[in-house]
Amino acid sequence: EAQVTQNPRYLITVTGKKLTVTCSQNMNHEYMSWYRQDPGLGLRQIYYSMNVEVTDKGDVPEGYKVSRKEKRNFPLILESPSPNQTSLYFCASSPLGGVGNQPQHFGDGTRLSIL
Amino acid sequence: AQKITQTQPGMFVQEKEAVTLDCTYDTSDQSYGLFWYKQPSSGEMIFLIYQGSYDEQNATEGRYSLNFQKARKSANLVISASQLGDSAMYFCAMSETGNQFYFGTGTSLTVIP
Repeated sequence: EAQVTQNPRYLITVTGKKLTVTCSQNMNHEYMSWYRQDPGLGLRQIYYSMNVEVTDKGDVPEGYKVSRKEKRNFPLILESPSPNQTSLYFCASSPLGGVGNQPQHFGDGTRLSIL
Repeated sequence: AQKITQTQPGMFVQEKEAVTLDCTYDTSDQSYGLFWYKQPSSGEMIFLIYQGSYDEQNATEGRYSLNFQKARKSANLVISASQLGDSAMYFCAMSETGNQFYFGTGTSLTVIP
């Protein structure tokens, strides 16, 4: 089954404790992306990647890191999480980025609470 | 400036009626894509419909159609014959040649029996 898998689905942690949210897709997609969703703000893009070893900042990259060492994986790293990073996070992938009918496939989301 | 604007935080529609969800966008690119996604209360993001900036005809997918008015920079979603299962959050999104995606703040649609 074609899917984007995020782990964990839920996490409660404390300020400053490094964490990684994993994202994996099995569709051989070139483009992968991370979003955060906050009430009243919609989804905002954190980072995206066009291919292995190619990553770019989205609208809200501060406090996050990503890496794309393999095509299928795109982990999101919070080196020193803070309470303002409490949010619902989505990973997504699509065959290609840019313009074109390339709808993104989304993971089920990761709800992060940072105390 | 906001790239995507959805001005209707909440909408109500009677079952079997049609409803239009508004979306305006801001871009200086000639080539761009517009998407609509549905997010039910269960939280997953479901792709509904796509419109390319060079597409001359409005996109349609079953009960969903996109009313694309390029000069006005609007891309409204029309849902015909609303069903109870259409109750959800709806997001308009845009991709540009720079590969970034932009989402609006969403419209919460409630279908009334």
